[in-house]
Amino acid sequence: KQEVTQIPAALSVPEGENLVLNCSFTDSAIYNLQWFRQDPGKGLTSLLLIQSSQREQTSGRLNASLDKSSGRSTLYIAASQPGDSATYLCAPIGRGADGLTFGKGTHLIIQP
Amino acid sequence: DAGITQSPRYKITETGRQVTLMCHQTWSHSYMFWYRQDLGHGLRLIYYSAAADITDKGEVSDGYVVSRSKTENFPLTLESATRSQTSVYFCASSEAGIGTSGSRGETQYFGPGTRLLVL
Repeated sequence: KQEVTQIPAALSVPEGENLVLNCSFTDSAIYNLQWFRQDPGKGLTSLLLIQSSQREQTSGRLNASLDKSSGRSTLYIAASQPGDSATYLCAPIGRGADGLTFGKGTHLIIQP
Repeated sequence: DAGITQSPRYKITETGRQVTLMCHQTWSHSYMFWYRQDLGHGLRLIYYSAAADITDKGEVSDGYVVSRSKTENFPLTLESATRSQTSVYFCASSEAGIGTSGSRGETQYFGPGTRLLVL
């Protein structure tokens, strides 16, 4: 069974800093990995989907990398803003899986 | 452009009652999913559907029933609600089945959630 760990569980940084969120997973036989953000009391918003054939995916100030062999993905946020405050979830998509296996998330606070 | 909607957004019920949570999507996505989110457990899959009239169980399906008579709707029913089913429920949809193609069509889109309290 796939297990997903996200480190750190919580992070508070001043506005403007670049930061890295980490995701590790136990079963490296995955197809894709998806990163989401969740705002308090809201649903999940898809940020990036990295296909297993890719190593990186970029969207604006966000850059996600994937190293399947080591079971790791990172989400890099450049020039953080208070609006980036949210919980960030990673979800690897495994072979034969009919859903995503989610980590418990990193709760991010960007201080103005 | 409604996307994916859930109703009700909030529900309070009593132990033993039947409750139905609704999910509707306007994209004509083939795949739909129900998850529950609990503190300490994260998001867990309850049921999914690959197409109308095709459904399958997820990790935590006991006590839940689903149906999918139309592509755009995927209701979730708690047959006899229990306190352990107090949770936030999310519906999601995708063009392609997860883990089937490795394509971007596997991106899942989530509804706003239904907060259910069982007393």
